[in-house]
Amino acid sequence: EIVLTQSPGTLSLSPGERATLSCRASQTVSSNYLAWYQQKPGQPPRLLIYGASSRAPGIPDRFSGSGSGTDFTLTINRLEPEDFAVYFCQQYDTSPYTFGQGTKLEIK
Amino acid sequence: QVQLVQSGAEVRKPGASVRISCKTSGYLFSSYYMNWVRQAPGQGLEWMGMINPSGGGTTYAQKFQGRVTMTRDTSTRTVYMELSSLRSEDTAAYYCARVLGGATPFYQHWGQGTLVTVSS
Repeated sequence: EIVLTQSPGTLSLSPGERATLSCRASQTVSSNYLAWYQQKPGQPPRLLIYGASSRAPGIPDRFSGSGSGTDFTLTINRLEPEDFAVYFCQQYDTSPYTFGQGTKLEIK
Repeated sequence: QVQLVQSGAEVRKPGASVRISCKTSGYLFSSYYMNWVRQAPGQGLEWMGMINPSGGGTTYAQKFQGRVTMTRDTSTRTVYMELSSLRSEDTAAYYCARVLGGATPFYQHWGQGTLVTVSS
């Protein structure tokens, strides 16, 4: 199975700053079948990005995704207070469809 | 609007089974695959499998083969996930998750989650 490794484990930033989250796959994710989710405590995940770079409906344009092959990045510009949460990447290229272990974005 | 409403929390003893329901509304039921994803307390997300509501065909993660059964009832627009031979490691929140479009397994819509606790 494809193992996704996210880094850093925890990212401490202040509102207004830019966050850069990494997701590295153990093998090539074909067709950029890579998604990003945000999860807050007690809530289900929320889809942010699919196809590595396409924003899901209703997602603000301060969220952007990039990358291909084995290296993918989620960038959040101008952090808002509501952006502090846990972020997961997911590959949906090859079954089983696996998730990264998550990056916690916390307020500095 | 799309809604996925799951059944309530469950407590089971090791070796037992549990069945969770996910009642849907707000979209054409037969047109979107439904997946199940679980999350152990404080842990990451784990894909369990998917069902095609149109024909009932299923695909399960190998890890759960033989223990999981996903079904659907088109008359009530409800999908079900049953997990048998429960062990303590199955303690988790279980989510139904609807794909954004067709069958491609990333998820725009999620149920609220059902906590299953396995304890003797």
